[in-house]
Amino acid sequence: DAKTTQPPSMDCAEGRAANLPCNHSTISGNEYVYWYRQIHSQGPQYIIHGLKNNETNEMASLIITEDRKSSTLILPHATLRDTAVYYCIVRVGLRRGGNKLTFGTGTQLKVEL
Amino acid sequence: SQTIHQWPATLVQPVGSPLSLECTVEGTSNPNLYWYRQAAGRGLQLLFYSVGIGQISSEVPQNLSASRPQDRQFILSSKKLLLSDSGFYLCAWRRTGSSEKLFFGSGTQLSVL
Repeated sequence: DAKTTQPPSMDCAEGRAANLPCNHSTISGNEYVYWYRQIHSQGPQYIIHGLKNNETNEMASLIITEDRKSSTLILPHATLRDTAVYYCIVRVGLRRGGNKLTFGTGTQLKVEL
Repeated sequence: SQTIHQWPATLVQPVGSPLSLECTVEGTSNPNLYWYRQAAGRGLQLLFYSVGIGQISSEVPQNLSASRPQDRQFILSSKKLLLSDSGFYLCAWRRTGSSEKLFFGSGTQLSVL
């Protein structure tokens, strides 16, 4: 499985952009990068995913380096409600079909006033 | 729209007692279903996944079992709980296609005493 490495914690001021890095140096050419977040005691919430190109949706932007060995999730204007654990995940195929998303320990983002 | 139901929200069980956690999905057919566990301060660990009725795959050896008696029903069980079974259990489903996001339930906090 392609592993991901994230900093354990980050702080961000409310209203500023939060840039969350992720390293996935062993990623294969056909593996997608997914980002989820988990607010305390809730199920993880999908944010965004990408393969090669940068992606943007209503929640965030995903910047993937040209060699695909790392990516950055950008929350353009962080709010207090964005305080959560953010997981960077590489999709892996399963033996009997489907796909497995392996969640590491993620980055605890704390947004402060 | 699709929704996922998971219950109960919290559960306290004595060591050696049985366990049954239920998850149901509405608004979709033939989903891929997953059971994850999250120990305190740890990432999510995939326990079981299912690509169809009666088809269960286990990712890690453990004291738990899973069953899928109906297309949109996924059950996590144990005959005798251990202290190490404590954790936050999450059910998830996946929609196949280009956007293969996982949608998570609200989770069950299980405490084995």
